[in-house]
Amino acid sequence: AQSVTQLDSHVSVSEGTPVLLRCNYSSSYSPSLFWYVQHPNKGLQLLLKYTSAATLVKGINGFEAEFKKSETSFHLTKPSAHMSDAAEYFCVVSGGKLIFGQGTELSVKP
Amino acid sequence: NAGVTQTPKFQVLKTGQSMTLQCAQDMNHNSMYWYRQDPGMGLRLIYYSASEGTTDKGEVPNGYNVSRLNKREFSLRLESAAPSQTSVYFCASSKTGGIPDTQYFGPGTRLTVL
Repeated sequence: AQSVTQLDSHVSVSEGTPVLLRCNYSSSYSPSLFWYVQHPNKGLQLLLKYTSAATLVKGINGFEAEFKKSETSFHLTKPSAHMSDAAEYFCVVSGGKLIFGQGTELSVKP
Repeated sequence: NAGVTQTPKFQVLKTGQSMTLQCAQDMNHNSMYWYRQDPGMGLRLIYYSASEGTTDKGEVPNGYNVSRLNKREFSLRLESAAPSQTSVYFCASSKTGGIPDTQYFGPGTRLTVL
């Protein structure tokens, strides 16, 4: 069985400071992993995905995530937060069907 | 190229009423999905259609039915709405349904059942 746990339900950062959204996964085989972003009252948009190629994955809007098999983690980072990054972020593991984490709400203070 | 579209955007129902949520995609994708999103629970799969002519249950299918009308359209029906079905419903599509296929999401339908 596969599962995903987002370790923080809410993260607050100041504009211009780094962003770290944490995600741990459980999978009986090599997983495919995704990060999706959902802006208020909008649908979900793919930020990036890991498919067993490079362990450091670059996505849109300056986000990246590193797959660490030994730690079963797939944390999302961005060097410098922007006000427009305020949204909800979902870590997702795929085993055919998508299994979503509970979501992390990111707030960005001016 | 509109991607995935959903209608309606908002709906209020009374308990016991029925309604159909519509979804269409113009990306020539084979697979389509219906999810519900509830606070603190991420998205949960209700039904999916791996290809035209097939449908399968997801994690939370009770109280719902689906129809894959053609390759473009996938509808979700609530036959007798219940307050527990108050949620935001998302339709998604993907090219093949395989791993690691990217799913593309519509803007959602916000449903309230009184």
